[in-house]
Amino acid sequence: ETGVTQSPTHLIKTRGQQVTLRCSSQSGHNTVSWYQQALGQGPQFIFQYYREEENGRGNFPPRFSGLQFPNYSSELNVNALELDDSALYLCASGHGQGVREQYFGPGTRLTVT
Amino acid sequence: AQSVAQPEDQVNVAEGNPLTVKCTYSVSGNPYLFWYVQYPNRGLQFLLKYITGDNLVKGSYGFEAEFNKSQTSFHLKKPSALVSDSALYFCAVRDDGSARQLTFGSGTQLTVLP
Repeated sequence: ETGVTQSPTHLIKTRGQQVTLRCSSQSGHNTVSWYQQALGQGPQFIFQYYREEENGRGNFPPRFSGLQFPNYSSELNVNALELDDSALYLCASGHGQGVREQYFGPGTRLTVT
Repeated sequence: AQSVAQPEDQVNVAEGNPLTVKCTYSVSGNPYLFWYVQYPNRGLQFLLKYITGDNLVKGSYGFEAEFNKSQTSFHLKKPSALVSDSALYFCAVRDDGSARQLTFGSGTQLTVLP
């Protein structure tokens, strides 16, 4: 196990609702990245936070937003949920801005109905 | 832009035989290359990485990968497959410049037959 934890494990939401997913980084890591993994696909990069600031973003709309806290834990917020947001959301932590390795948490399975 | 291709959706191999899972990549600068494994309903587990140095990289659980710059490939290998190696394998790349994200391939399902 990596030491990266995520909560909740599973979540069911209704279209149009908002959701917050949480991630606790591995000790000593100051970078956190979020990925979306749709069924049968590889993970897609959402964004990365380094020392509480977003420093990289993938091709996701603004309704996907995040926070990183002083203890380097993180939240992913998704507003106005759509059916296509149903996926496994993975958090990964690493050290440094140009991170060379990322360690993934177990993920949160989000189902939007 | 950076991209990864895993040309095989499924690889089947008999237990005890060598296995290879293929990966090719495209980046604008020098590549950082990674292999991850995913078991059902689990996150990704890091297997190995290539940053610089020897082209043959050794990783966890007896896996290794060979970096080939001219063919832009980073194939995952293991000399003797185990049934417990059956899982979904992902190759990922990022460049050594300003890109922050890992770009993943679509994954290869490895099945080791007893």
